[in-house]
Amino acid sequence: SQTIHQWPATLVQPVGSPLSLECTVEGTSNPNLYWYRQAAGRGLQLLFYSVGIGQISSEVPQNLSASRPQDRQFILSSKKLLLSDSGFYLCAWSVPERSYNEQFFGPGTRLTVL
Amino acid sequence: KNQVEQSPQSLIILEGKNCTLQCNYTVSPFSNLRWYKQDTGRGPVSLTIMTFSENTKSNGRYTATLDADTKQSSLHITASQLSDSASYICVVSAGAGGSYIPTFGRGTSLIVHP
Repeated sequence: SQTIHQWPATLVQPVGSPLSLECTVEGTSNPNLYWYRQAAGRGLQLLFYSVGIGQISSEVPQNLSASRPQDRQFILSSKKLLLSDSGFYLCAWSVPERSYNEQFFGPGTRLTVL
Repeated sequence: KNQVEQSPQSLIILEGKNCTLQCNYTVSPFSNLRWYKQDTGRGPVSLTIMTFSENTKSNGRYTATLDADTKQSSLHITASQLSDSASYICVVSAGAGGSYIPTFGRGTSLIVHP
């Protein structure tokens, strides 16, 4: 069976500090990977997606970046956090040919920037 | 532009009552529509999926309907339970020729009171 892990579960960081959130998927090969952010009371906002190692597409301009160093590893980073980066970050995976490209979400990381 | 609109934004009901959540979409070409349930602080989990040819799909006390002509879907919850308190998100995916990135609605926040 497939599982998706995210860490850390919660994070409190000062403004201007760096960020690194990690997501790993087990039990599947060559998945599509996604990073979403959910601000309080808001919907899911797609930040990045990747269809393969080293292939990253950005959906919105921001001070965040993403990398996919391995097939099942997706990392979200920032060099200097802003207050507006606070939110709930979700990683997801899908296999387009399977189950109509259903996305499976990780447990999320709650980030608070002070 | 692909869009998914959900209503109401929030809903409070008493335990045991029924409720219906609405989703209108403008996604082309249409492939499928999925309802997710997101518990507070957790990642969304798929409840139902419907393709163009399906009008209704049930998952226990959850019943989703789809009218592809009017581009509307509803999620009906029967005999609500306290555990139904969550955000319900409508997600629409495009078919061949369209973006394989699904379009998310902002969700309906449901609170079930005892």
